[in-house]
Amino acid sequence: AQKITQTQPGMFVQEKEAVTLDCTYDTSDQSYGLFWYKQPSSGEMIFLIYQGSYDEQNATEGRYSLNFQKARKSANLVISASQLGDSAMYFCAILGGSYIPTFGRGTSLIVHP
Amino acid sequence: GAGVSQSPSNKVTEKGKDVELRCDPISGHTALYWYRQRLGQGLEFLIYFQGNSAPDKSGLPSDRFSAERTGESVSTLTIQRTQQEDSAVYLCASSLEGPGLNTEAFFGQGTRLTVV
Repeated sequence: AQKITQTQPGMFVQEKEAVTLDCTYDTSDQSYGLFWYKQPSSGEMIFLIYQGSYDEQNATEGRYSLNFQKARKSANLVISASQLGDSAMYFCAILGGSYIPTFGRGTSLIVHP
Repeated sequence: GAGVSQSPSNKVTEKGKDVELRCDPISGHTALYWYRQRLGQGLEFLIYFQGNSAPDKSGLPSDRFSAERTGESVSTLTIQRTQQEDSAVYLCASSLEGPGLNTEAFFGQGTRLTVV
């Protein structure tokens, strides 16, 4: 079984500041992938970033980076230089041997001007 | 198509009626997933299709729920005798190939189901 925990129901950040969204996971699989998705108010799920369990480098995609701490089973998303358009729900997900992505409950991010 | 397409985008139905939701995955994607998202909640896994293998139905909440997929094409999710607690957004996703741990799932826009 696998599980994702996102403990922050809501986060607020000032425009142009950086913000970290927490994600911890639990899995018995040795090999797994971690994903972050953004869900704006329109409802679509947008893929942001991926981290493989054997990747030695933290993943980065533009303003998004994933702070992967394998021993702590942590995969936090860092958004640098927040923009108003970053306001959305953010979901962390894990994909392991079952090949079925398991999602957390999400974190609502609001970016203030 | 260019992306995952779901229809209808919105569906209002009376309690007790059957509904059928459709998902058209990205061409060539062998894996297809259905999720349910209740208001303000996360994504709840329902069912997983991978190619011609038997689907993983472990997430279906009751026998009122069923889904079909022919090969690597369209999938339909059917809810019989709908109940008010079935009201949610039903999301479909597909991915290029499974099993693969570095392939992200591409989501459709979802079908918002309201049971009145």
